Amino acid sequence: AQSVTQLDSHVSVSEGTPVLLRCNYSSSYSPSLFWYVQHPNKGLQLLLKYTSAATLVKGINGFEAEFKKSETSFHLTKPSAHMSDAAEYFCVVSLRGPWIKAAGNKLTFGGGTRVLVKP
Amino acid sequence: EPEVTQTPSHQVTQMGQEVILRCVPISNHLYFYWYRQILGQKVEFLVSFYNNEISEKSEIFDDQFSVERPDGSNFTLKIRSTKLEDSAMYFCASSERFLENNPLNTEAFFGQGTRLTVV
Repeated sequence: AQSVTQLDSHVSVSEGTPVLLRCNYSSSYSPSLFWYVQHPNKGLQLLLKYTSAATLVKGINGFEAEFKKSETSFHLTKPSAHMSDAAEYFCVVSLRGPWIKAAGNKLTFGGGTRVLVKP
Repeated sequence: EPEVTQTPSHQVTQMGQEVILRCVPISNHLYFYWYRQILGQKVEFLVSFYNNEISEKSEIFDDQFSVERPDGSNFTLKIRSTKLEDSAMYFCASSERFLENNPLNTEAFFGQGTRLTVV
């Protein structure tokens, strides 16, 4: 079984200040981890992904996330928030391994964190 | 850039009516998915589809739901007799075949969603 917990449902930051979105996961097997962003009236866009290569993952728009197995965490950060970062962010986990090949990539979503950026 | 497209963007239907939500996945993808997000709740997995059959489905995906790939390009979700609690945003997604040794293929691409309102 796998699950994802996003520790903050809402985060409010000032433009130009750092952003931290927290995510903890639970997985019986080696996970792949993703962050998706959803802007109003838009689809889910992939920000970055961890799939067992480097533990520090860089994504689009200046975001990065670090996979910490000992803490079962995959927190998302950005050094300086921009107004266009206001959106909802989802931490997502899927299983990896040959035994799930037939099932494709079933994704389990966290509850989402809504980010508000103040001018 | 290739993308997943969904139609319609909004659908209002009366309780008990049948609805069909349509999706055009990315053309070289082989795995297809439906997810839904009830307002204020998590994004939930409904079903995955590969090689013209369902490969996995959740408890939500009961006999009222069906999926089809009628013509090699479209991927549809049918709800036979809609209920009020079916009101949600429905997301279609697609991915390349999962290869455990190739993490580049573990990304799912999502459409912009269809907002279904059952009245």
